[in-house]
Amino acid sequence: RKEVEQDPGPFNVPEGATVAFNCTYSNSASQSFFWYRQDCRKEPKLLMSVYSSGNEDGRFTAQLNRASQYISLLIRDSKLSDSATYLCVGLTGANNLFFGTGTRLTVIP
Amino acid sequence: ETGVTQSPTHLIKTRGQQVTLRCSSQSGHNTVSWYQQALGQGPQFIFQYYREEENGRGNFPPRFSGLQFPNYSSELNVNALELDDSALYLCASSLEASSTDTQYFGPGTRLTVL
Repeated sequence: RKEVEQDPGPFNVPEGATVAFNCTYSNSASQSFFWYRQDCRKEPKLLMSVYSSGNEDGRFTAQLNRASQYISLLIRDSKLSDSATYLCVGLTGANNLFFGTGTRLTVIP
Repeated sequence: ETGVTQSPTHLIKTRGQQVTLRCSSQSGHNTVSWYQQALGQGPQFIFQYYREEENGRGNFPPRFSGLQFPNYSSELNVNALELDDSALYLCASSLEASSTDTQYFGPGTRLTVL
């Protein structure tokens, strides 16, 4: 079983839509979680950290549910520039990042 | 940009050959982690170097080896290349080997094994 599982998509949404990505993790000892964004043929870039209390950054909201071992990312008012692959990532105490396979988002004009 | 650089950007090798990939960490960072990203997959952790010592390893065979230099730049060496080694190899640097330190990724080296 993979450490982090997420729906690979693709998600095709119109501009202005709200879209939600979910992922689950299997290692209850994972300490921290993140969402990374990866554009086609580019390196992953940190989008935001995920906290149990929720974390909001503009149009992006991330949430962690430790009891259900579930992480979410909500994007409101989608822009064309949001088109990318969104990677759900867990971090163990050994400072190893565990990536999901990524969810591909395409925002359509 | 993250300030993390990798070379070369692309590389083509044949099965059985050996390859060395290089990574220069962001200024002031003493920790480098290496990841392998196969097509359509998320990056997979290979190993991490902290102050020139290996500081954790993922589920990769011993033919994947690494090195970190006193200036904290790093190399990834892969011996006896196999077709499945074709992937994007990413390095990431962080300030320290701490779970609170963000890892910043370089642009990657795309390796093709024929």
